Amino acid sequence: DAGVTQSPTHLIKTRGQQVTLRCSPKSGHDTVSWYQQALGQGPQFIFQYYEEEERQRGNFPDRFSGHQFPNYSSELNVNALLLGDSALYLCASSLRQGAYEQYFGPGTRLTVT
Amino acid sequence: AQSVTQLGSHVSVSEGALVLLRCNYSSSVPPYLFWYVQYPNQGLQLLLKYTSAATLVKGINGFEAEFKKSETSFHLTKPSAHMSDAAEYFCAVRTFGNEKLTFGTGTRLTIIP
Repeated sequence: DAGVTQSPTHLIKTRGQQVTLRCSPKSGHDTVSWYQQALGQGPQFIFQYYEEEERQRGNFPDRFSGHQFPNYSSELNVNALLLGDSALYLCASSLRQGAYEQYFGPGTRLTVT
Repeated sequence: AQSVTQLGSHVSVSEGALVLLRCNYSSSVPPYLFWYVQYPNQGLQLLLKYTSAATLVKGINGFEAEFKKSETSFHLTKPSAHMSDAAEYFCAVRTFGNEKLTFGTGTRLTIIP
């Protein structure tokens, strides 16, 4: 049973550029959440997707956007990158009904120079 | 609003000694509580969860946690530390109808041989 997968593993971008991160949820899961983890901090909730719609959003600017596809996979897009966007981006999947926990992928390490 | 406080950003214990990692939560409604572990350069792995059933919860790798409503606490314990327990530990909270996980700032556990 494949767990949550994310790509790429590492990414280096320049300020002002745009980036797309990808996530495939655990088999059987229909909900994807994205978190940003800065160095030495706990993960911060960005947003959650269910049925191809953004259902809940954390305190992140509109530069952060996402998408969920019919197969439940998801993308996180960040525009106009800032140095402060450098972080580990974690994808978590869950089952909307009848479950409480979220399962995390290995993350994508984004470095903005 | 929901929040988590983890007391002690760094904890060191000797191999074979008791592990105690502290977590206090704040929530206006009954919470769901979680402990996750993060090894270097990896994502988060779920250790255990409290979802309003038994207040003493057993997880993987010999860890357990007790939900104490009167103290708003959910401390993580393990009777005997192993070298492989060295990692970062995060406590997290969410509530019914609120999909986002709110994490504490983490506790780095070091095991002394």
